[in-house]
Amino acid sequence: AQSVTQLGSHVSVSEGALVLLRCNYSSSVPPYLFWYVQYPNQGLQLLLKYTTGATLVKGINGFEAEFKKSETSFHLTKPSAHMSDAAEYFCAVRFYNNNDMRFGAGTRLTVKP
Amino acid sequence: ETGVTQTPRHLVMGMTNKKSLKCEQHLGHNAMYWYKQSAKKPLELMFVYNFKEQTENNSVPSRFSPECPNSSHLFLHLHTLQPEDSALYLCASSQAATSGSRLDTQYFGPGTRLTVL
Repeated sequence: AQSVTQLGSHVSVSEGALVLLRCNYSSSVPPYLFWYVQYPNQGLQLLLKYTTGATLVKGINGFEAEFKKSETSFHLTKPSAHMSDAAEYFCAVRFYNNNDMRFGAGTRLTVKP
Repeated sequence: ETGVTQTPRHLVMGMTNKKSLKCEQHLGHNAMYWYKQSAKKPLELMFVYNFKEQTENNSVPSRFSPECPNSSHLFLHLHTLQPEDSALYLCASSQAATSGSRLDTQYFGPGTRLTVL
């Protein structure tokens, strides 16, 4: 079955530390992959996406993600966390054989001073 | 205005009320979507419109009635809702909504926070 899983509903890091948010998908054919961020009381904002080509994708606000086909993963990273990065992050996949965008359950990132 | 806008941002209604949520996109897109975001649950796709035609209805109760008069506007008409319908309702748009298309990056509005008493 096609699915998307985000490991860890809550991640807490210190300011300046590495941010790593995990996303895995289940599909026999690599899908299109997205990361969205949601700040409190706001809608979802696209951070970055992978469709084809280079597997390391750079997004806004210093985030990047790497598509690893062998691991069926699309983890989101940022070298140094800022307080303003505190938000909820959603991984989403778009499988070839349907019109749905499937979202993960979300990971809430907390940044400690 | 740019992007995707939604009105109202907050709505409180009784179970017997009738209200409508409005979404407008200024991106020249052809597909629009309604999502429901409840606490501690993944985003739930409700409806998809592609070129003004409804292409998807994910088993949504009939007390939610969508309307898409043109590619730029999308409404969600609400009547006789239940308290469990309280949630953040998000509208999104994309250039197209065809299977396997890379054109369907979705752009979201800020949402309407709905509370049903």
